[in-house]
Amino acid sequence: DVKVTQSSRYLVKRTGEKVFLECVQDMDHENMFWYRQDPGLGLRLIYFSYDVKMKEKGDIPEGYSVSREKKERFSLILESASTNQTSMYLCASSRGLAGGRYEQYFGPGTRLTVT
Amino acid sequence: TQLLEQSPQFLSIQEGENLTVYCNSSSVFSSLQWYRQEPGEGPVLLVTVVTGGEVKKLKRLTFQFGDARKDSSLHITAAQPGDTGLYLCLGGPYNFNKFYFGSGTKLNVKP
Repeated sequence: DVKVTQSSRYLVKRTGEKVFLECVQDMDHENMFWYRQDPGLGLRLIYFSYDVKMKEKGDIPEGYSVSREKKERFSLILESASTNQTSMYLCASSRGLAGGRYEQYFGPGTRLTVT
Repeated sequence: TQLLEQSPQFLSIQEGENLTVYCNSSSVFSSLQWYRQEPGEGPVLLVTVVTGGEVKKLKRLTFQFGDARKDSSLHITAAQPGDTGLYLCLGGPYNFNKFYFGSGTKLNVKP
């Protein structure tokens, strides 16, 4: 079974703090994703990585950065947390783009509250 | 602009009823996945459809991919309270790295 784990289920941070969210997958997947999910807005892609040290901006990258130094680990960084970044953050992984099937497997999510 | 439109947004039904959820787009997708998400958890993959016209069954759930690979439907027969959750469709990729989630259908099955 594919397993995607996220470092925290719940996190409370103060405005202006630097926040690290970590994600680890154990299926040797090439692709990893960070989404945020907000009521009424659905899931929105923040960043996507298709290989170690490679990244692509998603739909809402502003205020976020990412790091992928190892294939199994993908980190999301909030350089200076703001209250509008309070959200549920979901990490996912999938196989590479060859083959026509792009199932994404999700972690349990991190509920981040910025006060 | 939402690339993938899901309907209905909300559905509240009695146990034993049938229902259909739709995922529509004007774009062609190479594959489409359906997920179910429970509150406070990540989405869980239910099925992937790849071929136009494909039909897949998962117990009481039937998934269909449109012939032109632009739309999909999920039909649940004799819904049960355990089917309650948020149903999401995911299409992709569209232009290399673009993956799009539908807006979701929140299903509540009352006992």
